[in-house]
Amino acid sequence: GENVEQHPSTLSVQEGDSAVIKCTYSDSASNYFPWYKQELGKRPQLIIDIRSNVGEKKDQRIAVTLNKTAKHFSLHITETQPEDSAVYFCAAAGGTSYGKLTFGQGTILTVHP
Amino acid sequence: DVKVTQSSRYLVKRTGEKVFLECVQDMDHENMFWYRQDPGLGLRLIYFSYDVKMKEKGDIPEGYSVSREKKERFSLILESASTNQTSMYLCASSLSGYEQFFGPGTRLTVL
Repeated sequence: GENVEQHPSTLSVQEGDSAVIKCTYSDSASNYFPWYKQELGKRPQLIIDIRSNVGEKKDQRIAVTLNKTAKHFSLHITETQPEDSAVYFCAAAGGTSYGKLTFGQGTILTVHP
Repeated sequence: DVKVTQSSRYLVKRTGEKVFLECVQDMDHENMFWYRQDPGLGLRLIYFSYDVKMKEKGDIPEGYSVSREKKERFSLILESASTNQTSMYLCASSLSGYEQFFGPGTRLTVL
C-alpha cells in the first residue's frame, strides 16, 4: 500500500519568513495530493491540493509543488503570519482507492511574532 | 457548507466496555472514513465505506468494526475497549473527487 513520509516534524519560523514542508510517497499510481491544516482543538481542513497532471499550484501565500519522477511534493507558505501556526498534514491518494487518503505524520508549524 | 458531526466530543469508558462512535454527514457523500489521530503518527485509517452496507479495512482495523446502514451515517464500534484505544477519533466524508471533510473529533479515554 501507499506510504507517505513527512518532514520536518516541527518547524519554527519568524513572522514574515517562508516555511517549507516536504512529503514523499511510495505508490506511483497516486494522483491526488492534498494538504490539510489543523488548528489547535479544531478539525483538519483542506487548504490546497494538486493532481498529478499539474506541477505547481498557488493560492495567495501558499503553493504546492509536485515532482512525480522523484515522488515528492512540498507545501510552501510565504510571508508567514502567527495565524499560520498549526499542524499541517500531507496526504496521497489514487487509483481505485475510493478516495482513500494516506496521511503523513504531520508538521507542527509555529510562527513567532 | 458540508457538515460532518460526531456524536460526542469527549467520552470516557472502562476497559472491556462496548463503545459506539457515530458520524453523520448531510451532503449525500458516498464515501465515509474513520481515522484515529495520535501525536507523531498523523491520521491513520481504521475503516472506510464507499456505499451503504459496504466497508473496507483501512491500515489499523484490529479491535474495531463499523456499520453503515444509511448513507449519511457511519458508526465505529469498539467491541471491547482497551487502554491502547485511547485516542482522538475523526470521521470524514467525501464524494468521489477525494476532498475529505472532517468532523470535530471524539476524544476517547479508556480507563
